[in-house]
Amino acid sequence: NAGVTQTPKFRILKIGQSMTLQCTQDMNHNYMYWYRQDPGMGLKLIYYSVGAGITDKGEVPNGYNVSRSTTEDFPLRLELAAPSQTSVYFCASRPQGAGNEKLFFGSGTQLSVL
Amino acid sequence: QKEVEQDPGPLSVPEGAIVSLNCTYSNSAFQYFMWYRQYSRKGPELLMYTYSSGNKEDGRFTAQVDKSSKYISLFIRDSQPSDSATYLCAMDAGGTSYGKLTFGQGTILTVHP
Repeated sequence: NAGVTQTPKFRILKIGQSMTLQCTQDMNHNYMYWYRQDPGMGLKLIYYSVGAGITDKGEVPNGYNVSRSTTEDFPLRLELAAPSQTSVYFCASRPQGAGNEKLFFGSGTQLSVL
Repeated sequence: QKEVEQDPGPLSVPEGAIVSLNCTYSNSAFQYFMWYRQYSRKGPELLMYTYSSGNKEDGRFTAQVDKSSKYISLFIRDSQPSDSATYLCAMDAGGTSYGKLTFGQGTILTVHP
């Protein structure tokens, strides 16, 4: 049982480059999330999705885009990388409904923009 | 004012000590209160979960929620070196929040032998 899988684990980008962070889960969870974690700042929500074809902005969406074409996959796109996007990115998922508040996290993608 | 404030520490204690971690919050809509533990270079994992006010105990860990004071705590008894990690409080309003969690800044805990 793989859970939530993120790729790549590490990446270095030059300013202005673009990339896609991949996230897939095999637990048939409806809800999926992208968070970023900066040192000493906790986790901040970038985007979330409540099901295939439905996405919405979180607290810090600027500079990012997402899509959700299947229940399993929730990729995060950076179009024009900026140094402010240097961070650790976590994808998470959970089942729909009350009593299912536990988030299952991937192991993260460490991104540096130079 | 941040919605969730967590004393960032860092905190260093000897093995066997009692550890107290705390968060305050401003959003009275929060109903679900969680503590996540995050080891270095890993994703957070749920440690404790509490709905509304009250206490919850699980082995050496006790979570307390006081909604009237907007204050939550995590106590670790007989702390072990394996407890060394970053501890994050997290909160959810439930209902149409769709599981969006608001996290504290995290507290780095080191338990030394």
